[in-house]
Amino acid sequence: AQSVTQLDSQVPVFEEAPVELRCNYSSSVSVYLFWYVQYPNQGLQLLLKYLSGSTLVKGINGFEAEFNKSQTSFHLRKPSVHISDTAEYFCAVSEPGGSYIPTFGRGTSLIVHP
Amino acid sequence: KAGVTQTPRYLIKTRGQQVTLSCSPISGHRSVSWYQQTPGQGLQFLFEYFSETQRNKGNFPGRFSGRQFSNSRSEMNVSTLELGDSALYLCASSPGTGTFTGELFFGEGSRLTVL
Repeated sequence: AQSVTQLDSQVPVFEEAPVELRCNYSSSVSVYLFWYVQYPNQGLQLLLKYLSGSTLVKGINGFEAEFNKSQTSFHLRKPSVHISDTAEYFCAVSEPGGSYIPTFGRGTSLIVHP
Repeated sequence: KAGVTQTPRYLIKTRGQQVTLSCSPISGHRSVSWYQQTPGQGLQFLFEYFSETQRNKGNFPGRFSGRQFSNSRSEMNVSTLELGDSALYLCASSPGTGTFTGELFFGEGSRLTVL
């Protein structure tokens, strides 16, 4: 069975600083990987996804993530954050050929301080 | 293209009551999934419906049920509400077939408070 671990429940940073949100997954087969963002009182919105090909994936709002198969990781990065990036971020994994139902991590709260 | 619509957005119930939540998926999407989101447990998968049939089910008690109609709209019902059912209930739609990857399109959720 697949599982996702988001190592940090909360990440505080100052505006314009770089940030990395960590995600590790556990799966015995190939995977699809996703990062979603949730702003207060809203649903989840897809930031980016890895399906195959290049291990560096670029998403919306200047975010990118790198798939590392050997370390089973899919860390999310942004070189310079804004106040508006304050939100909850969820990593998710699904297994092609299976049910495709994604498993979500518990989320990382990114708090950007001025 | 309209997004996923959930109603109601907010509701308050008392213990022992039941509640029905509604979800209209993106046009053309045949799969609807439901998730429960709480601060302590994160996002927990409830069930998924595809073409009016429950295709996948999470680990929730039988008090939680759902259905899907021929137009792909879905409802979920929680009977005999408990305080622990207070949560944000998220609906997500997807094509459910073809090049489906597991990517989900979420609604804004229905926030249920049980008193």
